[in-house]
Amino acid sequence: QSALTQPASVSGSPGQSITISCTGASSDIGGYNYVSWYRQYPGKAPKLLIYGVTNRPSGVSYRFSASKSGNTASLTISGLQAEDEADYYCSSYTSNKSLRLLFGGGTKLTVL
Amino acid sequence: EAQLGESGGGLVKPGGSLRLSCTASGFTFTSYTINWVRQAPGKGLEWVSSISSSSTYLFYADSVRGRFTLSRDNAKSSVYLQMNSLRPEDTGVYFCAREATTGEDAFDVWGQGTMVTVSS
Repeated sequence: QSALTQPASVSGSPGQSITISCTGASSDIGGYNYVSWYRQYPGKAPKLLIYGVTNRPSGVSYRFSASKSGNTASLTISGLQAEDEADYYCSSYTSNKSLRLLFGGGTKLTVL
Repeated sequence: EAQLGESGGGLVKPGGSLRLSCTASGFTFTSYTINWVRQAPGKGLEWVSSISSSSTYLFYADSVRGRFTLSRDNAKSSVYLQMNSLRPEDTGVYFCAREATTGEDAFDVWGQGTMVTVSS
């Protein structure tokens, strides 16, 4: 498995909520609570938004929440703001011996 | 403030070598696992390698195993990625990232990245 599956793009209007899915397998998302989410602006380093499936690091807005069901994790951004326009990546530990960590392919969020 | 900074990137011919450095400041370096993550131009993130705090545990992605070697010097708060037999598909921005101590394989501090270009 080369990457977790994310939609290439999502969009929403200011004030709305959007959800980004991240689908893996029982050897990664489904088998462990080691899912993280990152936001990346163009030309910048990623920033951790969520760790351990549902936990927000100190300083991350409450507008970011996440969950997991089976082999699929989800990131929800509520009260969309223009500054939320960015690329979002999920990651998960994997028991696949070829890798230790898998990233999703990334989702481009457009705020209309 | 915890910070990481990468250096050593550049243009190299296929088959050549580069050594990337990642230097830490603002935190107790000896307590943390450090990872390298790369991003090909216009593409997503790819985990490359990780080294535990005392260098006991080393992991590599299949795509780089046997060609890349990760090491660290805790006295210098630095991690080094020796990249040999470079291929065009190794081109991209290389980030070093600190693994959070919460243990969920989350990367809570990232460097700004260094660009590696493999081209003839």
